[in-house]
Amino acid sequence: DAKTTQPNSMESNEEEPVHLPCNHSTISGTDYIHWYRQLPSQGPEYVIHGLTSNVNNRMASLAIAEDRKSSTLILHRATLRDAAVYYCILRDHSGGSNYKLTFGKGTLLTVNP
Amino acid sequence: NAGVTQTPKFQVLKTGQSMTLQCAQDMNHEYMSWYRQDPGMGLRLIHYSVGAGITDQGEVPNGYNVSRSTTEDFPLRLLSAAPSQTSVYFCASSPTGGGFGANVLTFGAGSRLTVL
Repeated sequence: DAKTTQPNSMESNEEEPVHLPCNHSTISGTDYIHWYRQLPSQGPEYVIHGLTSNVNNRMASLAIAEDRKSSTLILHRATLRDAAVYYCILRDHSGGSNYKLTFGKGTLLTVNP
Repeated sequence: NAGVTQTPKFQVLKTGQSMTLQCAQDMNHEYMSWYRQDPGMGLRLIHYSVGAGITDQGEVPNGYNVSRSTTEDFPLRLLSAAPSQTSVYFCASSPTGGGFGANVLTFGAGSRLTVL
């Protein structure tokens, strides 16, 4: 059973901001929200993660809704190298049965020059 | 620090042959896992391990065996390959200590397997 819902695809123009949404209405209090991306012909790579507060790093920002039922990955200025599939997943802080991490199909981001 | 290393990168098998996909990590991660990715699909979990001697099934374990005799290695075995196992396979690892949820997954570059 998928725990997160993402749009299948999104399109952006180079140098413009991109907001990638993720819905996780059944999130538990111990779930961290993780984002990974997969460039063409490569393995997935970590982008960012958070629990309750908004987070920033050199790659992106993560905005988490107050009720934590949704989050948004923000790429401030999209480049052609950001074209990838972006996955939003939940990781239970308590581990246990949630070691079975599931990835959906993610969002395919196309960046136009 | 090589991260997660998968070998081979490419492999062609005939139906019924056996082979092992190797995964090694040098980060002392307790958690390791195998995923397969088919065209247009997301990543599907095959097996995972939370430490040496401990393995469990993911969502698509049939046709695959694993073992974890050391912290560093987590091989995936196909005992009798079938065309349905044609896929790209990814190994991933992460720490488990200090709160599992906050720990980042590190993926290998993938192994592309074709079964004829």
